Amino acid sequence: EPEVTQTPSHQVTQMGQEVILRCVPISNHLYFYWYRQILGQKVEFLVSFYNNEISEKSEIFDDQFSVERPDGSNFTLKIRSTKLEDSAMYFCASSEALGLGETQYFGPGTRLLVL
Amino acid sequence: DQQVKQNSPSLSVQEGRISILNCDYTNSMFDYFLWYKKYPAEGPTFLISISSIKDKNEDGRFTVFLNKSAKHLSLHIVPSQPGDSAVYFCAARSSGAGSYQLTFGKGTKLSVIP
Repeated sequence: EPEVTQTPSHQVTQMGQEVILRCVPISNHLYFYWYRQILGQKVEFLVSFYNNEISEKSEIFDDQFSVERPDGSNFTLKIRSTKLEDSAMYFCASSEALGLGETQYFGPGTRLLVL
Repeated sequence: DQQVKQNSPSLSVQEGRISILNCDYTNSMFDYFLWYKKYPAEGPTFLISISSIKDKNEDGRFTVFLNKSAKHLSLHIVPSQPGDSAVYFCAARSSGAGSYQLTFGKGTKLSVIP
C-alpha cells in the first residue's frame, strides 16, 4: 500500500540553525500538508500546498517557515532559524484531491529537538 | 481555542467488549469528520470518516456516529481487540468554507485489556 515517507526520523539541532525536513508524498497525490505536534499537545496544522503554491497556512507558519517541492517527488519544510519552541513532531500528509470526501494520509513524522 | 474536544484522555476496555470514544466540536462550519489511530513513534493512520450529510458510517468493526444538533460524534469499536490499543484522534474540517486543514482533538488513549 502506498505511504507517505519522511526523513530524517529524528533531528537534533542547535537554536538558530536551519533545518530541512523532507517528505515523499503518495505518488498520485496532488495536495500536501505539514502538521506538527508539540509533546503533550494537539496535532496542529501548519500549511497546505498545491500546484507549487501555498494554499493555506496557520498563524504558526510565520516567516521562519517555508515549503518547497523541489522536484517531482519531494516536499520539504524549512525552518530558517530554529527556536526552542520549534521542538515537536512534524508530520507530512498528502491527499489525492480536495473534495469533501478526501482523506489526508500522514507520514511517520520527524522528531525535531532544538537545543 | 478548542474547536474539537476529546474530553476523555484515556479509556480501558476488556477485549471483546465495545469501545466508545467521544468527540465534541464547537465550529458549526465543520462538515467532514475523521478518526485517526496513532501508535507511538508513528504518524496518525486514517481509520474512518463521516460527512455532515450522514449520521452513521460503518467499516467492519468500526462505526462512527454523528449527531449534528449536539455537535457530537463517537467512534464505536466492536469487538475490541488488544491491537486496537492506541491513541485515537478525532479531526474535523470545514471544506465548505474552502479550508481543508484538519483541526484535531487532543486524543484518547485506548487500552484494550486481554
